[in-house]
Amino acid sequence: AQTVTQSQPEMSVQEAETVTLSCTYDTSENNYYLFWYKQPPSRQMILVIRQEAYKQQNATENRFSVNFQKAAKSFSLKISDSQLGDTAMYFCAFMKPSYYGGSQGNLIFGKGTKLSVKP
Amino acid sequence: NAGVMQNPRHLVRRRGQEARLRCSPMKGHSHVYWYRQLPEEGLKFMVYLQKENIIDESGMPKERFSAEFPKEGPSILRIQQVVRGDSAAYFCASSRDREVYGYTFGSGTRLTVV
Repeated sequence: AQTVTQSQPEMSVQEAETVTLSCTYDTSENNYYLFWYKQPPSRQMILVIRQEAYKQQNATENRFSVNFQKAAKSFSLKISDSQLGDTAMYFCAFMKPSYYGGSQGNLIFGKGTKLSVKP
Repeated sequence: NAGVMQNPRHLVRRRGQEARLRCSPMKGHSHVYWYRQLPEEGLKFMVYLQKENIIDESGMPKERFSAEFPKEGPSILRIQQVVRGDSAAYFCASSRDREVYGYTFGSGTRLTVV
């Protein structure tokens, strides 16, 4: 069974600085998808970034980028120029594709990292 | 597009009562997923439904929990005879198809059992 581990329960960063959140996962699959979701105090789950395992290039979305190390089964999230609005819980998630095409429909989440951005 | 709508946002039930949680997917989405988030935990998959069909209910407790997604109307997650351990945030997500781009989540329903 797949598992996702986030080893940092809480982190803090000064505004405008850079922070990296760690995520490791365990799977025997060769093809899969990885995600980072943000959950602010409003509780809304917001997709931050997505990575396909068969792509070697690391995904980037504005100030958010990932360091995907497939052999090490590591998928860290880097937030550059941190802003107060980045304060939230961040969840790493794994998705196994369906053998019939598309997704299997089941996201597996880590326990999350609580990020606080300080002014 | 209003996004995924869940109601109620907060629900309080006494032990032994029934809880009904509603989820209206995004317009054009016919796939719905329910997740549960216990305090200090990540989201855990419960059930995956397509219109009128349950595709995967491997994460659903065998007793007291049921889900449906009728041809018309919202998806309903039903918890019968609630117990304190059912207190959690319940999230619904939707997608257009079996896509792999990540789902759109609703804001969740926080269920408190007293």
